[in-house]
Amino acid sequence: AQSVTQLDSQVPVFEEAPVELRCNYSSSVSVYLFWYVQYPNQGLQLLLKYLSGSTLVKGINGFEAEFNKSQTSFHLRKPSVHISDTAEYFCAVSGRGGATNKLIFGTGTLLAVQP
Amino acid sequence: NAGVTQTPKFRILKIGQSMTLQCTQDMNHNYMYWYRQDPGMGLKLIYYSVGAGITDKGEVPNGYNVSRSTTEDFPLRLELAAPSQTSVYFCASFLDSGANVLTFGAGSRLTVL
Repeated sequence: AQSVTQLDSQVPVFEEAPVELRCNYSSSVSVYLFWYVQYPNQGLQLLLKYLSGSTLVKGINGFEAEFNKSQTSFHLRKPSVHISDTAEYFCAVSGRGGATNKLIFGTGTLLAVQP
Repeated sequence: NAGVTQTPKFRILKIGQSMTLQCTQDMNHNYMYWYRQDPGMGLKLIYYSVGAGITDKGEVPNGYNVSRSTTEDFPLRLELAAPSQTSVYFCASFLDSGANVLTFGAGSRLTVL
């Protein structure tokens, strides 16, 4: 089984500052990793995903994440945030195919961008 | 192409009542999921289905039932609603083609009083 830990429930940051949202996972099998974003009163949208290949993954809205297998981490970063980035961010993990193909989510991190 | 459609968007139930949350997708996705979202708890998987006629329990299945008679539809039934089932419910689907990208519905907010 897989599990995901998002260490920060809330991250306040000033506009134009860099930000890192942390995510660690646990799994006995190889995994796929994802970051989803949820804007207020909306469903979830895919931000980026790691399936294979390069460990640095670029997503929408200037976000990127790096897969670190040795540290079992998949931290999300953005060099300069905007007010419009205020949202809840979810890290998720799934096994690779077959019966392990269930997406398990972390508890979420609220990114609060202040002017 | 409507994606994943959930109905109703909002519903208030009394304790002990039953209801069905509807979910339909028009993308011919084989995998479908039901999640519930509670503040500070993230999304918890209730049930999922890998294709028509096949369903399986997720992390928090108690108090719920599902069926998957067609590829398009994956209704979630609540029997004997309890206050603990007050939550926002999300249906999602994806095509098992290796891309592993879930498409989510807009959510159904359920309150049990």
